[in-house]
Amino acid sequence: DQQVKQNSPSLSVQEGRISILNCDYTNSMFDYFLWYKKYPAEGPTFLISISSIKDKNEDGRFTVFLNKSAKHLSLHIVPSQPGDSAVYFCAATDSGSARQLTFGSGTQLTVLP
Amino acid sequence: EAQVTQNPRYLITVTGKKLTVTCSQNMNHEYMSWYRQDPGLGLRQIYYSMNVEVTDKGDVPEGYKVSRKEKRNFPLILESPSPNQTSLYFCASSLLARTSGSTDTQYFGPGTRLTVL
Repeated sequence: DQQVKQNSPSLSVQEGRISILNCDYTNSMFDYFLWYKKYPAEGPTFLISISSIKDKNEDGRFTVFLNKSAKHLSLHIVPSQPGDSAVYFCAATDSGSARQLTFGSGTQLTVLP
Repeated sequence: EAQVTQNPRYLITVTGKKLTVTCSQNMNHEYMSWYRQDPGLGLRQIYYSMNVEVTDKGDVPEGYKVSRKEKRNFPLILESPSPNQTSLYFCASSLLARTSGSTDTQYFGPGTRLTVL
């Protein structure tokens, strides 16, 4: 049973528009959430995170929103650029759990020029 | 340059032939971990280590062994590989073994593509 779900395997967006990637979780013990970005033939790299005490965190073009009651988070990229084309993984952890990360299955984002 | 390195990057082997994938980090990180990535399943944790000589099972430990004799190294051992272990493997490390809402993150190696025939 996947505790972190990314229901959209792929997403295509025009350059300059907004990209919205979604993630749902089921474990109510999760209190810290991260997004990782992965290019082909490379390891995932950290993008942005959010603690459960917040509902929004912003870093430049990237904003993560957390809706605890719905157990849902989303990553917004504005404006989208072709270099943003990558696989995006949502991850979650219970901060009392020896830092195990539970990952979603990933969403392939393609930004079209 | 701060990094996590893995070797080999690509490996094709046969069922039952023991292999080791090495992982090394140069950031003096306490925490190290192994994941496998499979289509539709994301990254699943195999084993993790909170410090030297301290290891524990992740979500999918069957068929794997690890050791942490030095802080910088965390090899993944497949004693008798089987075709269902064909996957993309990632090693990761982070500074602290336990945090509470901090921004500490895991740094990943470039991956090892393993094929077991």
